[in-house]
Amino acid sequence: EAGVTQFPSHSVIEKGQTVTLRCDPISGHDNLYWYRRVMGKEIKFLLHFVKESKQDESGMPNNRFLAERTGGTYSTLKVQPAELEDSGVYFCASSLMTGGSNSPLHFGNGTRLTVT
Amino acid sequence: QQQVKQSPQSLIVQKGGISIINCAYENTAFDYFPWYQQFPGKGPALLIAIRPDVSEKKEGRFTISFNKSAKQFSLHIMDSQPGDSATYFCAATLIQGAQKLVFGQGTRLTINP
Repeated sequence: EAGVTQFPSHSVIEKGQTVTLRCDPISGHDNLYWYRRVMGKEIKFLLHFVKESKQDESGMPNNRFLAERTGGTYSTLKVQPAELEDSGVYFCASSLMTGGSNSPLHFGNGTRLTVT
Repeated sequence: QQQVKQSPQSLIVQKGGISIINCAYENTAFDYFPWYQQFPGKGPALLIAIRPDVSEKKEGRFTISFNKSAKQFSLHIMDSQPGDSATYFCAATLIQGAQKLVFGQGTRLTINP
């Protein structure tokens, strides 16, 4: 089966610009997560979708970040306007079930965002 | 506030040696502790996980040791191989409900041939 796919793999933008990251989860996975790793720090939870509904967006840094999952398939994460501190690697992950040790998270390869 | 502290940040081990990475957590409600392995340019991949009702779990050369009273857990890699060179992340979460993982800062492991 195809894994979690993220696009683009790298993005370099200037401060103040807008960037949209895309994630295609594993087919059939209702649960989709966004995480972020800022340089040298821990990977941090941003938000969780079940199908098209946001279940938990407590990790979103501020209102410059907007995540959507229309139709419950792929998801986008938009940063507008981007700031220098938004630089980092953005990971998407998906899982078949919401919880349980038998439904592990499958991570994509990430999008490395650099804001200059 | 960092809820999961991981050490060391980097580790160099000779081929055939034992690699040990330690983590400590604060939230006693956590009941699922996975370890992820990440190779350059790839996303983290689940390596092994443990629940607090057991003190040790072994899968091949990889072992998790868990100390509930001390709120600590560690990853041991026996007979370390150059192919084990990667970044390792410990994490913690509640097994019921969403997989809102709280990660440690990561350990960059290098196995010298």
